[in-house]
Amino acid sequence: QQQVKQSPQSLIVQKGGISIINCAYENTAFDYFPWYQQFPGKGPALLIAIRPDVSEKKEGRFTISFNKSAKQFSLHIMDSQPGDSATYFCAARTEGGYQKVTFGTGTKLQVIP
Amino acid sequence: DAGVIQSPRHEVTEMGQEVTLRCKPISGHNSLFWYRQTMMRGLELLIYFNNNVPIDDSGMPEDRFSAKMPNASFSTLKIQPSEPRDSAVYFCASSPRDRNTGELFFGEGSRLTVL
Repeated sequence: QQQVKQSPQSLIVQKGGISIINCAYENTAFDYFPWYQQFPGKGPALLIAIRPDVSEKKEGRFTISFNKSAKQFSLHIMDSQPGDSATYFCAARTEGGYQKVTFGTGTKLQVIP
Repeated sequence: DAGVIQSPRHEVTEMGQEVTLRCKPISGHNSLFWYRQTMMRGLELLIYFNNNVPIDDSGMPEDRFSAKMPNASFSTLKIQPSEPRDSAVYFCASSPRDRNTGELFFGEGSRLTVL
């Protein structure tokens, strides 16, 4: 049972363009929605995160848009650069006694010059 | 500051052999997680420790897998006997006491190939 659905599986964007990755969830107990960035041969690293009481969060060229009623959230990368080429994972954390984080299946982004 | 340290980085073994993966979490972090990453299934949580105690092992695929955390600075994930379908990258991650940050700090992973 996949609790966090992510699309697309892969994405090719030209340098300077906007990269958009979408995620959807069903479990209303999720209370924290991070995005992780993973470069080849490395572990995932936190990129940006949002809580459900906020509709948008921006950090530099990276923006999360969150739609609580639709149970969807997305990552926008503005002015995409070749250095942004990586795999991006959306994730969701459940409320409760510990930080159980469920990851989406990942989107492999390639930014071409 | 040192991050999460995993060893070995690469392991090639034959079916039926025992495999032990090791993890040293970031000092001061009280939560430790083992994840498995494959192309087909993405990142799967195998087991979670809090203050060295296993809290949730529902993701451990079968009895061939076991994990221990004898102290706050060391954890192992053991597969015995190993099978080709266990081939994957295994990540250890740790998290600090403040759960509000929600951030997991991952190691660089151990790539396991079972022939």
